[in-house]
Amino acid sequence: DAKTTQPTSMDCAEGRAANLPCNHSTISGNEYVYWYRQIHSQGPQYIIHGLKNNETNEMASLIITEDRKSSTLILPHATLRDTAVYYCIVRGKDYGGSQGNLIFGKGTKLSVKP
Amino acid sequence: DGGITQSPKYLFRKEGQNVTLSCEQNLNHDAMYWYRQDPGQGLRLIYYSQIVNDFQKGDIAEGYSVSREKKESFPLTVTSAQKNPTAFYLCASTKTSGGGNIQYFGAGTRLSVL
Repeated sequence: DAKTTQPTSMDCAEGRAANLPCNHSTISGNEYVYWYRQIHSQGPQYIIHGLKNNETNEMASLIITEDRKSSTLILPHATLRDTAVYYCIVRGKDYGGSQGNLIFGKGTKLSVKP
Repeated sequence: DGGITQSPKYLFRKEGQNVTLSCEQNLNHDAMYWYRQDPGQGLRLIYYSQIVNDFQKGDIAEGYSVSREKKESFPLTVTSAQKNPTAFYLCASTKTSGGGNIQYFGAGTRLSVL
């Protein structure tokens, strides 16, 4: 699986957009980019995933560069409740069995400030 | 509401004691997973099960045991052989969606040694 690189921490003002970058320069053609977040002392929460096209849902937008070597998660109007560790994970489409687990690195700690 | 329920939220283990962590899901997912998370670290896979009556060891299975007698339930037993059990334990299940697999997590059980 492709390795991902994320900044250790980021700050964002409440109400502003939070843009979280992720580098995955070794991503292969059939690997998806997933984003999860973990609020302190809770289980990780799925946010969004994509292959090559930009994706948007009720929580966030995912922008993947044309060469697929990096992506950005955008929280359009960050709130204090968005303070969490955000994980960028790259995985093949049909993972299952021992590959069904997601490899969570250390992620980016996003602090949303009033 | 559909989801994954882990209990208890907090658990204390005495020396030489086996303890069992409960994980129940009503999402009708086939695959279920147990992870361990240590402070400031990512998730490590303990055991996984793709189907009822079948399960496989993950990366750190020593000192743990599981069963999968029902689709909805995947309990984890931390045995006395696990010498450093203090950690945050997370249960997850997987659903296939939009070309990728999404993992849903429970709220976790925090285990401490007395």
